[in-house]
Amino acid sequence: GAVVSQHPSRVICKSGTSVKIECRSLDFQATTMFWYRQFPKQSLMLMATSNEGSKATYEQGVEKDKFLINHASLTLSTLTVTSAHPEDSSFYICSASRGLAYEQYFGPGTRLTVT
Amino acid sequence: AQTVTQSQPEMSVQEAETVTLSCTYDTSESDYYLFWYKQPPSRQMILVIRQEAYKQQNATENRFSVNFQKAAKSFSLKISDSQLGDAAMYFCAYRSFTGTASKLTFGTGTRLQVTL
Repeated sequence: GAVVSQHPSRVICKSGTSVKIECRSLDFQATTMFWYRQFPKQSLMLMATSNEGSKATYEQGVEKDKFLINHASLTLSTLTVTSAHPEDSSFYICSASRGLAYEQYFGPGTRLTVT
Repeated sequence: AQTVTQSQPEMSVQEAETVTLSCTYDTSESDYYLFWYKQPPSRQMILVIRQEAYKQQNATENRFSVNFQKAAKSFSLKISDSQLGDAAMYFCAYRSFTGTASKLTFGTGTRLQVTL
């Protein structure tokens, strides 16, 4: 159990456009979802925490107007990178949890390339 | 804020041998969780083992075990009988015990190579 999917697995977009990444919990209800960013050969950096039905909590230094997070249901959270630039190219990973005190299960990640 | 340090960027072990990956952390909290995650080339994060700080007994999962030294704030991972499939990035992570702060703080990772 505890499977988390992400879509798409890879996406290439042009500079200035927006791109949406979906994170789904397939076999459990995810009250809380987390979005991470991972640059090549680096660790995972938490971008934001989202709770179903409420606004996301962003980490310091993460632009909330650029990285829009929506967690409208207990199985789906989306991350929209608005007006993407080449420096936004990275590997984005989501994780889902039944609640703040529960285990996080990770999605397979999405590689974003902005040209 | 909590910090997690992994001082070994790369490690190598021969197949069937044992290797230990180091992790230290800094926190003022008394209750927390510690984790080791594996990230193979597929980039999928896989939970290897977890330790509750209030437990004195070291966690074990088959070939994987930890040496948890709470006073020293040290949390090392021992992999016994290493296999080729163990080759991956390994991340140590910290999480607060309280439900209001469950985000994970990761170390910088250790790349493990397994040789024949």
